[in-house]
Amino acid sequence: QVQLQESGPGLVKPSETLSLTCTVSGGSISSYYWSWIRQPAGKGLEWIGRIYTSGSTNYNPSLKSRVTMSVDTSKNQFSLKLSSVTAADTAVYYCARMGAAFDIWGQGTMVTVSS
Amino acid sequence: QSALTQPASVSGSPGQSITISCTGTSSDVGGYNYVSWYQQHPGKAPKLMIYDVSNRPSGVSNRFSGSKSGNTASLTISGLQAEDEADYYCSSYTSSSTQAVFGGGTKLTVL
Repeated sequence: QVQLQESGPGLVKPSETLSLTCTVSGGSISSYYWSWIRQPAGKGLEWIGRIYTSGSTNYNPSLKSRVTMSVDTSKNQFSLKLSSVTAADTAVYYCARMGAAFDIWGQGTMVTVSS
Repeated sequence: QSALTQPASVSGSPGQSITISCTGTSSDVGGYNYVSWYQQHPGKAPKLMIYDVSNRPSGVSNRFSGSKSGNTASLTISGLQAEDEADYYCSSYTSSSTQAVFGGGTKLTVL
């Protein structure tokens, strides 16, 4: 079955760019929307944005100026870049497949913003 | 502040039924049948329990059911079990540029 795995640095310095990759295994990345969602410790879920396999994107307006998503279908991967990070961006970051709902999730990766 | 409003906590005894509400607007919950519900145990990723208001993915117990009336969606869990103790989040498609919104989450305690 399809599985997702996030990867990337667990520690990012303030003002720098957070970069994460989600690898899709057990199935093709094609013909789906793929999302990034984050969750600060003890808080709720926040949708960051989504990308279609064509490269078309939609971002949460609250983060739009700092977010860039990309997809590499040859590697079955999609990626997130979040620029100018602050402590408020410290969270567990999840990648998820977005069909009728977020039906498949990665295990999540903790990213801490600290100097 | 979350776009969708959920109660912070609910509780029930084993065997009982509980309902969690999720209130939005006509731009999200009320306007589309794209409401979903997620169960999250501590330290784990969310798990899809209900999609399109009332549909259960394969493998999800039929003790979980969903419904919607106007701008409010509901998740009902019948025959409560200890393993149901978790956080529950609703989500909806929205016609705003956000595309997807979540509720603030509800902590279910099984007494």
